Amino acid sequence: DVKVTQSSRYLVKRTGEKVFLECVQDMDHENMFWYRQDPGLGLRLIYFSYDVKMKEKGDIPEGYSVSREKKERFSLILESASTNQTSMYLCASSPIGFPNYGYTFGSGTRLTVV
Amino acid sequence: GENVEQHPSTLSVQEGDSAVIKCTYSDSASNYFPWYKQELGKRPQLIIDIRSNVGEKKDQRIAVTLNKTAKHFSLHITETQPEDSAVYFCAAPGTGTASKLTFGTGTRLQVTL
Repeated sequence: DVKVTQSSRYLVKRTGEKVFLECVQDMDHENMFWYRQDPGLGLRLIYFSYDVKMKEKGDIPEGYSVSREKKERFSLILESASTNQTSMYLCASSPIGFPNYGYTFGSGTRLTVV
Repeated sequence: GENVEQHPSTLSVQEGDSAVIKCTYSDSASNYFPWYKQELGKRPQLIIDIRSNVGEKKDQRIAVTLNKTAKHFSLHITETQPEDSAVYFCAAPGTGTASKLTFGTGTRLQVTL
C-alpha cells in the first residue's frame, strides 16, 4: 500500500538537461517536501509546499524549482542539471496540524548527472 | 532556522547489547522529535516520536528521551538484533510554516553477531 510514489527509481541525465522529478501522494496531505540525501550530510531540505500553488525555499534551493498544481502532486525541477546535483532525492508528505506530525517518505529517486 | 546535530556517525554493537544515539537541537520552539530508520536501499520510516510535553516514550525495545532544558534527545535500543542494522536519523521542526523537519546527519548502526 504505497502512499507516496516517486515516478522514477533511477535516472541518468546529461549536464545541462532540464530534469523533472515527480511525486504523488494519496493521503490527502497538505504538506509536501523535497529533500536530497548525501552520505555524511543527512537529509537536506530543498523546497516544500503547504498548499496548492504555494511553495517555500528550504535550505538548499539553488539550482532547483518546484511546482504544485494539484494537492497530490509535487514536482522538483532541475533547471540545468549539473554533476553536483547527483544525489538521492526523497519526497515526503505530512498532514497539517499542531503538534507536528511525522513524514511519509517516497522510495527515492537516485539521479546521476553525467 | 533549526540546527540538529547527531552523534555518533557510526556505531557498532554486539547482538544483545544496547545502542544509544544522541541529538541536540537549537530552536527552543521545537515541540516534536521524530526518529527515522532507513534500511539499505529503502525509504526512511518513522519508528518513534516524542512531543515536548513528555520526557520519555517507549515502544517495546526502543525508547526516546527528551531534555528540553538542555535541548537534546536520545534514541535507546535495547537487546539489539541484526535487523536493527540501519541508518537512523533524528529530526526537529523548529518554527514556521508546514512543520518542516530539519534532520541530523544520521547514524549508521551495525549489529554484529
